[in-house]
Amino acid sequence: SQQGEEDPQALSIQEGENATMNCSYKTSINNLQWYRQNSGRGLVHLILIRSNEREKHSGRLRVTLDTSKKSSSLLITASRAADTASYFCATSWAKLVFGKGMKLTVNP
Amino acid sequence: DARVTQTPRHKVTEMGQEVTMRCQPILGHNTVFWYRQTMMQGLELLAYFRNRAPLDDSGMPKDRFSAEMPDATLATLKIQPSEPRDSAVYFCASGLEPGLAGVYEQYFGPGTRLTVT
Repeated sequence: SQQGEEDPQALSIQEGENATMNCSYKTSINNLQWYRQNSGRGLVHLILIRSNEREKHSGRLRVTLDTSKKSSSLLITASRAADTASYFCATSWAKLVFGKGMKLTVNP
Repeated sequence: DARVTQTPRHKVTEMGQEVTMRCQPILGHNTVFWYRQTMMQGLELLAYFRNRAPLDDSGMPKDRFSAEMPDATLATLKIQPSEPRDSAVYFCASGLEPGLAGVYEQYFGPGTRLTVT
């Protein structure tokens, strides 16, 4: 069964708005990663946050991790139509376990 | 521009036929993963190898699926006999041994879309 569960499962916003996706998980982790999947393509690694980190930034991406609540959030600021994709969180202990993904649609 | 390659990209076959999917990991990566993606189940890990040795294939139906790495540049996933419920997109990913930090960053191939009729 999936370790991570993304929330919401689908989100539709206008270009320029911010998009926030949440991920909850069940067991201890070494790190948590976020991946993006464009339609019909493989997953692409976006950002990794280690279990001893609380926040991390990469360009327009901001990831937070709350190990006490077993949750993480991914914020995409100033969204673009090209950000339209499915986003997955993946937790890692001995191996990566992916959630079911969240579909983000950014309307131009 | 190093990337994971997978062949074929699309495969349509009849129930009962053997299906072989191939993956070429990124040169130098020592860990290879096979995933299956469906709408219902999401992304499931089927098996993974490190230094060509199978580490975990608990996600794979053993009676019909087999995964091998004949050499460092080729990983294969076979289904024999195939069934309609095997219809899915199969992804291969490769990465480097995580080391003490236990970090797995994986690089995905484009996938093989399998349809079993």
